[in-house]
Amino acid sequence: EDQVTQSPEALRLQEGESSSLNCSYTVSGLRGLFWYRQDPGKGPEFLFTLYSAGEEKEKERLKATLTKKESFLHITAPKPEDSATYLCAVRSTDSWGKLQFGAGTQVVVTP
Amino acid sequence: DVKVTQSSRYLVKRTGEKVFLECVQDMDHENMFWYRQDPGLGLRLIYFSYDVKMKEKGDIPEGYSVSREKKERFSLILESASTNQTSMYLCASSLFSGAGNTIYFGEGSWLTVV
Repeated sequence: EDQVTQSPEALRLQEGESSSLNCSYTVSGLRGLFWYRQDPGKGPEFLFTLYSAGEEKEKERLKATLTKKESFLHITAPKPEDSATYLCAVRSTDSWGKLQFGAGTQVVVTP
Repeated sequence: DVKVTQSSRYLVKRTGEKVFLECVQDMDHENMFWYRQDPGLGLRLIYFSYDVKMKEKGDIPEGYSVSREKKERFSLILESASTNQTSMYLCASSLFSGAGNTIYFGEGSWLTVV
């Protein structure tokens, strides 16, 4: 069974204080690892898809990386508007088109 | 832009009522999904559909059913609502089932069963 574990559960940062979120996964065969951002009371918003170990993607202050067992979401010099819950999800070779989600990391960035 | 629209954002229903949650997508996507989201449990898949009139059970289908009569519309039905179905419900869609295909979410429907 596919498993996704995110850590930490919550992260409080000062504005400008860079940090990383972790997503560890166990799948039969990875067909994609997805990062989403979710604001309170709203649906998840797609950020990145990573397919193979060594791959990296960037968007503004966010950078996602992938190894064979985990992915990191690096937040560089965060701003208060980066406050959100960040969700990681995997699609495996035997899961058809479905995603298996982690529980998320809640990030709060204070001025 | 992909748009997934959930018609009801906030609902309060009584135990035993039949509840319909409606979802429409405007991008001619083949696949549609219903998830529920609870604190500490993340998103859990209830049902999904890969074509009109086709449906498959997800991880937690008990107490739910779905209907997909048209490609753009996917409905979640709670036959007899119970308090443990109080949750946020998220509808999603994707173009196809391929490896890189992105799943897009609606804004969510908050259901409270009293």
